Amino acid sequence: GQQLNQSPQSMFIQEGEDVSMNCTSSSIFNTWLWYKQDPGEGPVLLIALYKAGELTSNGRLTAQFGITRKDSFLNISASIPSDVGIYFCAGQHSGYALNFGKGTSLLVTP
Amino acid sequence: GAVVSQHPSWVICKSGTSVKIECRSLDFQATTMFWYRQFPKQSLMLMATSNEGSKATYEQGVEKDKFLINHASLTLSTLTVTSAHPEDSSFYICSAREGKRGGTGELFFGEGSRLTVL
Repeated sequence: GQQLNQSPQSMFIQEGEDVSMNCTSSSIFNTWLWYKQDPGEGPVLLIALYKAGELTSNGRLTAQFGITRKDSFLNISASIPSDVGIYFCAGQHSGYALNFGKGTSLLVTP
Repeated sequence: GAVVSQHPSWVICKSGTSVKIECRSLDFQATTMFWYRQFPKQSLMLMATSNEGSKATYEQGVEKDKFLINHASLTLSTLTVTSAHPEDSSFYICSAREGKRGGTGELFFGEGSRLTVL
């Protein structure tokens, strides 16, 4: 499968700061998803985006499906220590498996 | 929400032995399950797509004779790592889709199984 370009690779921020990460692809996807993975566990879905241009929020998280369908971003506002983890973007063609980004490792200091 | 369970969560085995990992959808029928492998500090890489009642479709570079996948029922898929070697040590994660084959139902991930081959 195709791997997506996700950046930044890691972020080290203070509690309360906002965070932004993004993913780009050379091909179009029908669905963009954002997952969080804690150490030793499987990924957990945060936000799913199904339409180009769609902007969706889930609490302090906001994600957008790019107009070109080749990119997406995830913002986390007012970060807290429990936001620590690895965030993965994933693109999906209809009915097929997910293509994952390389992940963004987030560290939040109190 | 739907739950996907993997067993075992972690396993240590000797080189040359075979290990079976189970993936179960607990409260829904999954016609399609996916198996991923994740090496430390890396992303999830798709290994194979498993459809109930038919042979799995393997990604390029994944040896089908080494990673045996069986999807005999709508709630269970198994991955058997045959003649495991240290380089097979990894975190194996399954995901399952609720709904019809080829459909766009949400994917749910298992908790993952960490394999360490000595």
